[in-house]
Amino acid sequence: DVKVTQSSRYLVKRTGEKVFLECVQDMDHENMFWYRQDPGLGLRLIYFSYDVKMKEKGDIPEGYSVSREKKERFSLILESASTNQTSMYLCASSLAGTRSLFFGSGTQLSVL
Amino acid sequence: QQQVKQSPQSLIVQKGGISIINCAYENTAFDYFPWYQQFPGKGPALLIAIRPDVSEKKEGRFTISFNKSAKQFSLHIMDSQPGDSATYFCAASKADKLIFGTGTRLQVFP
Repeated sequence: DVKVTQSSRYLVKRTGEKVFLECVQDMDHENMFWYRQDPGLGLRLIYFSYDVKMKEKGDIPEGYSVSREKKERFSLILESASTNQTSMYLCASSLAGTRSLFFGSGTQLSVL
Repeated sequence: QQQVKQSPQSLIVQKGGISIINCAYENTAFDYFPWYQQFPGKGPALLIAIRPDVSEKKEGRFTISFNKSAKQFSLHIMDSQPGDSATYFCAASKADKLIFGTGTRLQVFP
């Protein structure tokens, strides 16, 4: 089974802090994605990556950056956390050329 | 701009009934339409998917109906069970990027 592991289930940070959310997948998938999930808004794509050291902006990239130094690891970075970034963050991966996403269990981030 | 519109936001169904969730899309370039199921505390998981060259796909109690001319597709859950209680997301894609709907919280009561 594909496993997508997100480093923290719950995270509490203060406004202005730099926040790192880590995601690791174990099935050699080329594609990796970061979504945020908010009630009534569904899942919105923040950033995605089709290969190592490659990144593309999704629909809501403002306030975020990403890093993909190794194929299995995709990090989401909040340079200066703000309260409107309080959300559930979901990482996903997929094989190149397929459309089936495998999601991690999510990180619930609270910014106070 | 919501490219995939999903309704209803919540749905309550009695055990044994039919659950129906609807989605509409705008971009005619979309060529893959999956449904994801999410249980509390878990990430979404692929449930069933369809491509626009067919009008219906069935897997067990789950059926996708697709209307290309209306740019609409729907998920039907037959004989709904309490274990089907979850949040359901429709999505649409062109290439490897998925655009999700806003989700439907389904509750099935015994």
